[in-house]
Amino acid sequence: NAGVTQTPKFRILKIGQSMTLQCTQDMNHNYMYWYRQDPGMGLKLIYYSVGAGITDKGEVPNGYNVSRSTTEDFPLRLELAAPSQTSVYFCATSSGSGYEQYFGPGTRLTVT
Amino acid sequence: QQPVQSPQAVILREGEDAVINCSSSKALYSVHWYRQKHGEAPVFLMILLKGGEQKGHEKISASFNEKKQQSSLYLTASQLSYSGTYFCGTDEWGANNLFFGTGTRLTVIP
Repeated sequence: NAGVTQTPKFRILKIGQSMTLQCTQDMNHNYMYWYRQDPGMGLKLIYYSVGAGITDKGEVPNGYNVSRSTTEDFPLRLELAAPSQTSVYFCATSSGSGYEQYFGPGTRLTVT
Repeated sequence: QQPVQSPQAVILREGEDAVINCSSSKALYSVHWYRQKHGEAPVFLMILLKGGEQKGHEKISASFNEKKQQSSLYLTASQLSYSGTYFCGTDEWGANNLFFGTGTRLTVIP
């Protein structure tokens, strides 16, 4: 089992460009999350989903969008990239409330 | 609300003990603890759900106070492999949406 996979591993974007960060899991978990981690800081929740077709905003959703059409996939869309979105992005999954979260390896994004 | 985590950093010699604290201004549904090594993803250590709960994981254990507002992570007889940044994540409503502290950087030296 691959667990949680994220692509790409690294990406450099120019200001104003758009991109989609991919997250796929084979753990059959209903809960999925997107976090960003700025250098030397903790993780901040961007969006989350409790099942296919259900998404909601987290702590820092501005500038991002998500969709969840299947249990396995939870892509994160950046529209009009800004330097403030330079960060490491982690996708995570959980089997439900009160259970641990499993993190993917992360995507390091630089916007210049 | 982001929990307050302390200390920000600690350096230990192998075999020494450390305590990392995580505090919230309100009662929590649960507290999660994760360890992250440089350039890697966070890895789950343990979760505490009940007030007064204590849990152990080899030489790493944690407690959750009765009011469910504070948790502490205890590392005993530290090993070089314990080095990393430790984060607490707090769940306020039971939706498993975590607010993470800013982390405690633990360095274990020979």
